[in-house]
Amino acid sequence: AQSVTQLGSHVSVSEGALVLLRCNYSSSVPPYLFWYVQYPNQGLQLLLKYTSAATLVKGINGFEAEFKKSETSFHLTKPSAHMSDAAEYFCAVSVQGGSEKLVFGKGTKLTVNP
Amino acid sequence: DAGVTQSPTHLIKTRGQHVTLRCSPISGHKSVSWYQQVLGQGPQFIFQYYEKEERGRGNFPDRFSARQFPNYSSELNVNALLLGDSALYLCASSLLNRGQPQHFGDGTRLSIL
Repeated sequence: AQSVTQLGSHVSVSEGALVLLRCNYSSSVPPYLFWYVQYPNQGLQLLLKYTSAATLVKGINGFEAEFKKSETSFHLTKPSAHMSDAAEYFCAVSVQGGSEKLVFGKGTKLTVNP
Repeated sequence: DAGVTQSPTHLIKTRGQHVTLRCSPISGHKSVSWYQQVLGQGPQFIFQYYEKEERGRGNFPDRFSARQFPNYSSELNVNALLLGDSALYLCASSLLNRGQPQHFGDGTRLSIL
């Protein structure tokens, strides 16, 4: 069964510093992977997706993620954090089968300090 | 273009009552999925519907049910509400091809007293 593990429930960085949010997946088949961001009192907004094309995926707001099959990882990065990046981030894997079920990690709350 | 819209935004109910949550997908999207997000957790899959047919169901009791209408909008119904049903209920729509992203609404915040 597919699953996602996000290491670190809370990450704190200074404004302008590198953002690194970790995601490891488990899947018996080539996965489709997604990163979503959730701002307070809002739904989830898609940041980027990996669907077996390029292993380095660029998303919105300057975020990118690299798919590493050997490490079963899909870590999210941004070179320079901005105050507006403070939010909760979720990694998700699409489950193969008749439904397009997403299995989410528990999320990582990102704090950006001035 | 309008995104996924959900109503109501907030709802307060008492134990044992029934609730209906509504969702309108993005125009052109025929697949609608429902997720439950308990505070501090990632969303958990409840149902997926496509062309009015249930295509998937998560590990939720029979108190949870849903349906999809000819215009692809959807309702989630929960009977005999329990305190543990307090959560943010998210609706997502997509094109039904694996790998196509799901687009989420802002959710309905359900509080059970």
